[in-house]
Amino acid sequence: AQKVTQAQTEISVVEKEDVTLDCVYETRDTTYYLFWYKQPPSGELVFLIRRNSFDEQNEISGRYSWNFQKSTSSFNFTITASQVVDSAVYFCALSGPVYNFNKFYFGSGTKLNVKP
Amino acid sequence: ETGVTQTPRHLVMGMTNKKSLKCEQHLGHNAMYWYKQSAKKPLELMFVYSLEERVENNSVPSRFSPECPNSSHLFLHLHTLQPEDSALYLCASSPTSGGADEQFFGPGTRLTVL
Repeated sequence: AQKVTQAQTEISVVEKEDVTLDCVYETRDTTYYLFWYKQPPSGELVFLIRRNSFDEQNEISGRYSWNFQKSTSSFNFTITASQVVDSAVYFCALSGPVYNFNKFYFGSGTKLNVKP
Repeated sequence: ETGVTQTPRHLVMGMTNKKSLKCEQHLGHNAMYWYKQSAKKPLELMFVYSLEERVENNSVPSRFSPECPNSSHLFLHLHTLQPEDSALYLCASSPTSGGADEQFFGPGTRLTVL
């Protein structure tokens, strides 16, 4: 069965600190996709990144970086030099092979509070 | 307008009311979704439509009735709801219903059932 676990319910940091949000997933599929979304207070989920199971390269986009490790079934997200605008709830999600309909399995989310 | 829009943004209704939530996507996508987001719970997938056909109904009570008249519009008709149905209802779309596509979300409708 597919499952995504985000063990950190809420994290508080001071601006300019680095912070890592953890995501652990379970799946029996050999082909799968992992996603991160940001949900600011306005409510809309904003897509951040998609990673397929065959690509274990880490990715960096500005202050954001992602560490995908199949050996530990983890897809962690790091924000470097956090800013107040990073305050939001962050969701990790898992979906199955292309031939399955696009059912996302979301984690319960991590609320990040960045204080000035 | 661009992206995924939802109306209304906020809705308060009594248990005997009938109301509808509307979602519209301007992205040319073929798949649309309804999710329910309750406090302290993961997002729950409710319905999936691909090319206007329902492909998933995730054991949702019949008091929620979806409608997809075309690939750009999705409705959620509500009747005789319960207070526990109060939640944020999110609409999303994706290019196809295949597992690789990211979903694009609307801002949600905050529903309160009295």
